Amino acid sequence: GIQVEQSPPDLILQEGANSTLRCNFSDSVNNLQWFHQNPWGQLINLFYIPSGTKQNGRLSATTVATERYSLLYISSSQTTDSGVYFCAVERAGGTSYGKLTFGQGTILTVHP
Amino acid sequence: GAGVSQSPSNKVTEKGKDVELRCDPISGHTALYWYRQSLGQGLEFLIYFQGNSAPDKSGLPSDRFSAERTGGSVSTLTIQRTQQEDSAVYLCASSVRQGLSGNTIYFGEGSWLTVV
Repeated sequence: GIQVEQSPPDLILQEGANSTLRCNFSDSVNNLQWFHQNPWGQLINLFYIPSGTKQNGRLSATTVATERYSLLYISSSQTTDSGVYFCAVERAGGTSYGKLTFGQGTILTVHP
Repeated sequence: GAGVSQSPSNKVTEKGKDVELRCDPISGHTALYWYRQSLGQGLEFLIYFQGNSAPDKSGLPSDRFSAERTGGSVSTLTIQRTQQEDSAVYLCASSVRQGLSGNTIYFGEGSWLTVV
């Protein structure tokens, strides 16, 4: 199956700092989503971004599908950004409609 | 509803008992998914529904696990004769498009299952 690797595994920031999280994947995809898992375990959808660039407030994401990677940018980080960030992809082709393969996540801790 | 709703939010059960977990997808969403998140295993796909049928059951870990969906809406995941390794968060998700790939998937808050 498709492999998804996220880096770094852990990231500790001071409030106000910027950060970049990376997601590499091993095959062509037709769905890529970034999620933030809050302390209660819910996966909050940040971006649906199989290609291109999107921005939402302090967050932005870029996916370069031809090179099989995606980046999540967090600017002016806040303590509420703490949590686990997951990248998940759906392999293109076949009948894997909606079947997401998740990376292992990046644990982000933002200190005040 | 406004989001994917799951119940119970927490369940503690004795080893060997059966449990049922319920998922109510976002209104109008025809695709429904079950995932599991456990320590050391990350997030795993269990099963996918398109309407009431389940074209992909590939992720169900054993025949103790089953799921059904009725009326194209609510789904129930049943675990029979629970084992301690079944302890995990069971996450339900839904998406609006039927039979097509490449669509945003929304998750519920999960059901935390502990088998003692």
